Amino acid sequence: DVKVTQSSRYLVKRTGEKVFLECVQDMDHENMFWYRQDPGLGLRLIYFSYDVKMKEKGDIPEGYSVSREKKERFSLILESASTNQTSMYLCASSNRGGNSPLHFGNGTRLTVT
Amino acid sequence: RKEVEQDPGPFNVPEGATVAFNCTYSNSASQSFFWYRQDCRKEPKLLMSVYSSGNEDGRFTAQLNRASQYISLLIRDSKLSDSATYLCVVNRAGNQFYFGTGTSLTVIP
Repeated sequence: DVKVTQSSRYLVKRTGEKVFLECVQDMDHENMFWYRQDPGLGLRLIYFSYDVKMKEKGDIPEGYSVSREKKERFSLILESASTNQTSMYLCASSNRGGNSPLHFGNGTRLTVT
Repeated sequence: RKEVEQDPGPFNVPEGATVAFNCTYSNSASQSFFWYRQDCRKEPKLLMSVYSSGNEDGRFTAQLNRASQYISLLIRDSKLSDSATYLCVVNRAGNQFYFGTGTSLTVIP
């Protein structure tokens, strides 16, 4: 069974702090994704990566960066946290190939005060 | 026009009822289709993939209509534990996933 693990379930940070969200998957998936989910807005793609050191901007990359130094690990970085980045952050992975579903981590609920 | 459109509900149904959700997608190049279940404050979990010929998993049946560009999910004999939000997800070109906003289901005793 695919396991996607996010390092923190709940996180509280102050405005202006640099925040790191870590995600690790154990199924050798090529694709990894970071989404945020907000009430009424659904899931929105922040960044995705289709290979080590490769990254592509999603729909809302502003204020975020990512790092993929190893295939199994995809990190999301909030350079300077702001209150409008308070959200549920979901990491996901999938195999290359059109029929492969997304597998989600259990989410990080980030509050920026 | 949104890539994926879903009736948000809420659907409130009695135990034992049959309920159906539909989801439409706008891009005919979409390749694969999925239904996810999401419980409150939890991550989405894959419920089932949707195949062209339709597929069934116990009380759940998924269907795809490529001509009309919609997918459906039918839940028979609803249980209290089926209460959740159901998301349809459409995949295009391998790493492009598009999400519906989710349909909320509450099964009432």
